[in-house]
Amino acid sequence: EDKVVQSPLSLVVHEGDTVTLNCSYEVTNFRSLLWYKQEKKAPTFLFMLTSSGIEKKSGRLSSILDKKELSSILNITATQTGDSAIYLCAVGSGYALNFGKGTSLLVTP
Amino acid sequence: AAGVIQSPRHLIKEKRETATLKCYPIPRHDTVYWYQQGPGQDPQFLISFYEKMQSDKGSIPDRFSAQQFSDYHSELNMSSLELGDSALYFCASSSDRGSSYEQYFGPGTRLTVT
Repeated sequence: EDKVVQSPLSLVVHEGDTVTLNCSYEVTNFRSLLWYKQEKKAPTFLFMLTSSGIEKKSGRLSSILDKKELSSILNITATQTGDSAIYLCAVGSGYALNFGKGTSLLVTP
Repeated sequence: AAGVIQSPRHLIKEKRETATLKCYPIPRHDTVYWYQQGPGQDPQFLISFYEKMQSDKGSIPDRFSAQQFSDYHSELNMSSLELGDSALYFCASSSDRGSSYEQYFGPGTRLTVT
């Protein structure tokens, strides 16, 4: 059975801190790993990773995939209160995305 | 940029009624996915369509059916609704023609079954 595990489940940090969110997976027929940010609405696409070791970067967010370790990390530097959200990791297997439970991030002023 | 459109945004139904949710993918996207997200849960994959044909099937109940039409929009039909069907239903689209597996989500339809 395909499995996507995220850690930590919940995180509270102060503005300006750097956070690292983890995602590990066990899936058959791996196609891609995607990160989404979900506030009180639809998941918003952040990154898609298909190749190991290549960092993707967007502003203060970056992510990298390690296919040998079957894992990925999402880094957020200089966090802001607007970064508060649930961060979902999803692994594409076939056409479906298998989601992890998410990491709930709260950034306090 | 155009995004995925879903309608209605909110729907309240009674038990045993039927409901139809609609999804309009991003222009030029040929693949549509349906997900169900219960309160405090992660999205669960229901079903997907590529070029109007079912491409993958997840945990979709037999009471539900879906299809994709010639204009690529999709409808999720839900019959004999149960209280447990109350959830947020997301549609996502992607362009597999370009071998891009990035799925972009619509705003969701919040279904409440009373």
